[in-house]
Amino acid sequence: DAGITQSPRHKVTETGTPVTLRCHQTENHRYMYWYRQDPGHGLRLIHYSYGVKDTDKGEVSDGYSVSRSKTEDFLLTLESATSSQTSVYFCAISTGGSYGYTFGSGTRLTVV
Amino acid sequence: GENVEQHPSTLSVQEGDSAVIKCTYSDSASNYFPWYKQELGKGPQLIIDIRSNVGEKKDQRIAVTLNKTAKHFSLHITETQPEDSAVYFCAATSDTGRRALTFGSGTRLQVQP
Repeated sequence: DAGITQSPRHKVTETGTPVTLRCHQTENHRYMYWYRQDPGHGLRLIHYSYGVKDTDKGEVSDGYSVSRSKTEDFLLTLESATSSQTSVYFCAISTGGSYGYTFGSGTRLTVV
Repeated sequence: GENVEQHPSTLSVQEGDSAVIKCTYSDSASNYFPWYKQELGKGPQLIIDIRSNVGEKKDQRIAVTLNKTAKHFSLHITETQPEDSAVYFCAATSDTGRRALTFGSGTRLQVQP
């Protein structure tokens, strides 16, 4: 299985503070994604990357930015966290010839 | 962009019965349809997928069917077991160059022993 780890696993932060979530893969997969999961909404795409320094916005990108300076790391930043960004965040990679994703274990973020 | 609707939101069945979850999609260019299973506290895991050039695919107790004309696809689980209890998500993509999936809202399946 593709190695994909997210850090931190849990975080509580205050409104207005910056937060960065990290997604790390141990294999050389090109495509990486950030989703948020909220009750009743399933998984919604925030940003994705198709290579180093190549990123694009998803359907819920407002308030988020991403960076990918190395193939193995995809960072998601909340510049100024708001309570509406309380969610579970999942990173995913698209592996091999299939378009199927492998997901990380998620980061539970609470903004108070 | 793509829009995926999933029904039902919750489903309760008796052990041994079959379960069916249905999804519809909006973009006729979509050509890849995976299904994911998510257990409590974990990330979703791919369980089966189908491409638009195939009408049905089976893997042991699970199967997926696709109706391109009607733009809907379904997950079928036969002989359900308690360990099938989880949240299931369908997804679709027309953005095959960048593989960005659009997910349904999920179905919580409860298999009663």
